[in-house]
Amino acid sequence: DQQVKQNSPSLSVQEGRISILNCDYTNSMFDYFLWYKKYPAEGPTFLISISSIKDKNEDGRFTVFLNKSAKHLSLHIVPSQPGDSAVYFCAASFSGSRLTFGEGTQLTVNP
Amino acid sequence: DVKVTQSSRYLVKRTGEKVFLECVQDMDHENMFWYRQDPGLGLRLIYFSYDVKMKEKGDIPEGYSVSREKKERFSLILESASTNQTSMYLCASTTGQSARREKLFFGSGTQLSVL
Repeated sequence: DQQVKQNSPSLSVQEGRISILNCDYTNSMFDYFLWYKKYPAEGPTFLISISSIKDKNEDGRFTVFLNKSAKHLSLHIVPSQPGDSAVYFCAASFSGSRLTFGEGTQLTVNP
Repeated sequence: DVKVTQSSRYLVKRTGEKVFLECVQDMDHENMFWYRQDPGLGLRLIYFSYDVKMKEKGDIPEGYSVSREKKERFSLILESASTNQTSMYLCASTTGQSARREKLFFGSGTQLSVL
């Protein structure tokens, strides 16, 4: 039972445009959501997070939106840069429990 | 900066061999985790530990065991390697303080090939 799903295995955007990565979840108990970025030959690194009491969190070019009624979150990157090309994983947890990860989305930003 | 070090970047083993994957973290984190990453499946939790000599099964523990004799070191053991255990293995750690425990720090990974 995949509780966190990223339905798009890949996404390609032009440099300077917006990248939107999506994530859906099924467990309504999840109360904390995170995005990680992974470059080849490196481990994932924490990017941004959001608590379920909020619907938006922004950090520079990165914004995460949470729609609890739809059980959906998205990561917006504006403007996209070639260095943003990586695999992005969304993850969720409840009450500080272990993380459940999605399948990942490969983002490619073309110069 | 937190450093999570995995002992090998690449490993090639034969079916039936016993395999040890080592992980060391230098930030005095209470919690340590072993994940495997496979294309289309994301990161799946194998085992985790919230304290020395303590271990708990994750989502896919079959065929694996772990050891945590010291706080900084968490070892993953494949008792008898099989070809379906060919994967990228990622170790992670985080603080035990609940407000920050979800922010995992990962090692660079070990790409294991079982022939």
